[in-house]
Amino acid sequence: DAKTTQPTSMDCAEGRAANLPCNHSTISGNEYVYWYRQIHSQGPQYIIHGLKNNETNEMASLIITEDRKSSTLILPHATLRDTAVYYCIVRIRGNTGKLIFGQGTTLQVKP
Amino acid sequence: DAGVIQSPRHEVTEMGQEVTLRCKPISGHDYLFWYRQTMMRGLELLIYFNNNVPIDDSGMPEDRFSAKMPNASFSTLKIQPSEPRDSAVYFCASSSDAADRTDTQYFGPGTRLTVL
Repeated sequence: DAKTTQPTSMDCAEGRAANLPCNHSTISGNEYVYWYRQIHSQGPQYIIHGLKNNETNEMASLIITEDRKSSTLILPHATLRDTAVYYCIVRIRGNTGKLIFGQGTTLQVKP
Repeated sequence: DAGVIQSPRHEVTEMGQEVTLRCKPISGHDYLFWYRQTMMRGLELLIYFNNNVPIDDSGMPEDRFSAKMPNASFSTLKIQPSEPRDSAVYFCASSSDAADRTDTQYFGPGTRLTVL
């Protein structure tokens, strides 16, 4: 699976948009970008995934660059409950594609 | 749905003792995963099952670790004998090829294991 690079930590003001970047310059054509997050002392939680088009769901938006070498997860109106470690993962679709968690980005939402 | 259920939530044991962690996946899910999380190594996949059959156990650290899935609604991860370096949070996750969110893994709350 391709490796990803994320900033170690970020801060965001409550109510503002949180933009979390991820670099995946070696991503293959059949690999998707997945985002999970882990709130302290809980199991990881799926957020969103995409291949090449921008995606949006009730939790977040995912913007993938045209060359697919990087992406940005956007939490449009961050709340204190969004404080967590956010993991960007690239993998093939299907349950045989392993989720390989890196160090992720620790997002601290501040009042 | 209650989600993935793990027990116990906390386990404290002494070195050399046998430890058994339990997991009940989401009903209807046909994939089950066991992960371990430590500060040093992060979140690692240990083993996963499909339709109760182990598919990939390459992440199992050594022979002291074993995992079973006797039926679709129950799995165990056993450590015998346990060592202090096994102290970690162990997560179970499940997923399905048939669900709307195909291949999304749903994680349980984890079992925090401390080996003294």
